[in-house]
Amino acid sequence: GQQVMQIPQYQHVQEGEDFTTYCNSSTTLSNIQWYKQRPGGHPVFLIQLVKSGEVKKQKRLTFQFGEAKKNSSLHITATQTTDVGTYFCAVSGGYQKVTFGIGTKLQVIP
Amino acid sequence: NAGVTQTPKFQVLKTGQSMTLQCAQDMNHEYMSWYRQDPGMGLRLIHYSVGAGITDQGEVPNGYNVSRSTTEDFPLRLLSAAPSQTSVYFCASWEQETQYFGPGTRLLVL
Repeated sequence: GQQVMQIPQYQHVQEGEDFTTYCNSSTTLSNIQWYKQRPGGHPVFLIQLVKSGEVKKQKRLTFQFGEAKKNSSLHITATQTTDVGTYFCAVSGGYQKVTFGIGTKLQVIP
Repeated sequence: NAGVTQTPKFQVLKTGQSMTLQCAQDMNHEYMSWYRQDPGMGLRLIHYSVGAGITDQGEVPNGYNVSRSTTEDFPLRLLSAAPSQTSVYFCASWEQETQYFGPGTRLLVL
């Protein structure tokens, strides 16, 4: 299956600072998905990107898919304490077989 | 709609015991999946199903069995529990590109 590397593994930011997590692959990806998991909770689907160079926004969250479809990023502008959690990228293969990155754990310091 | 439900929420087993983790969804989704989540390893796909009567193995299927007799239910069976199966287990179902997760089952095998 398609493998993805996610960095950083941990990130602490002051409230109001920006945050970015990256997802990289050595092979061309068919798509990339992003999920958020709050502490003690379950993963929640955020978005799927499929097109080369695609950029999508959800309020303060900006998702990008690289031109070569080998990397993706999630950027949060002006973090809030409600952004705390682990953000995962994932690749969905045939029959919805999904491979997840290890996640980036975000801590926001008030 | 209740969405994706899982029972039990917590379970403690002794090595060698068997048990079934229940998963149900009331959204009439064809695709369903089971994942395990371990610290530092993200989520890994155990088994998945593309419809009633059809199941297949994911990344880490050893030690687990599944069946899909109805669209709604997708139970995960541990035949002989081992300490390595201590984990948090998530069931999920799909609607087009969106994956919906259940609340999870925390399993401790002693």
